[in-house]
Amino acid sequence: KAGVTQTPRYLIKTRGQQVTLSCSPISGHRSVSWYQQTPGQGLQFLFEYFSETQRNKGNFPGRFSGRQFSNSRSEMNVSTLELGDSALYLCASSTGLRLGGETQYFGPGTRLLVL
Amino acid sequence: AQSVTQPDIHITVSEGASLELRCNYSYGATPYLFWYVQSPGQGLQLLLKYFSGDTLVQGIKGFEAEFKRSQSSFNLRKPSVHWSDAAEYFCAVGRGGSNYKLTFGKGTLLTVNP
Repeated sequence: KAGVTQTPRYLIKTRGQQVTLSCSPISGHRSVSWYQQTPGQGLQFLFEYFSETQRNKGNFPGRFSGRQFSNSRSEMNVSTLELGDSALYLCASSTGLRLGGETQYFGPGTRLLVL
Repeated sequence: AQSVTQPDIHITVSEGASLELRCNYSYGATPYLFWYVQSPGQGLQLLLKYFSGDTLVQGIKGFEAEFKRSQSSFNLRKPSVHWSDAAEYFCAVGRGGSNYKLTFGKGTLLTVNP
């Protein structure tokens, strides 16, 4: 099976712009979670999507949003970019069935630099 | 709230030496525990996981970890380190059965000397 893929791998934006990141989960997986990784804060949970619905959300401002399509692909959007949004954005996929003992599989990440 | 502590920010070992990376967690129920490894500029690769049963779990690349409930620990070990093991290692605890939200430690950077 192909792994989790993320596009683009690298992005450079300027403050005030918006950005959209894409994540394709492992085939058959219906849950996609997003994480932000920075040197200062480490890995932080942004949100989870399952069957096109946001099921859970972390503690991030409303500038961070996402969506999921019927094929389980997910996009994450950040509006009005700030310098502090520079980070590695990771997505992870799982079956999402909550049967116990789920494992999240991560993509390679999108490196976002805000100037 | 659940939390994960990795006390060692940076560890340096010689190639061929043994390795132990420490992880302590705080979680009210039975934890689901994971170790991931991240090479520079890459995503996270799952090394091993503990859900229940045998407290000593085996993972990929010769790694193993032991769950000790009494110490709230899940330490990662490898008997003989290879230069290719140099990377950052993250311990994580999952929320409930779905583990949709992983809480990560701050990571331990491993340097391997030749």
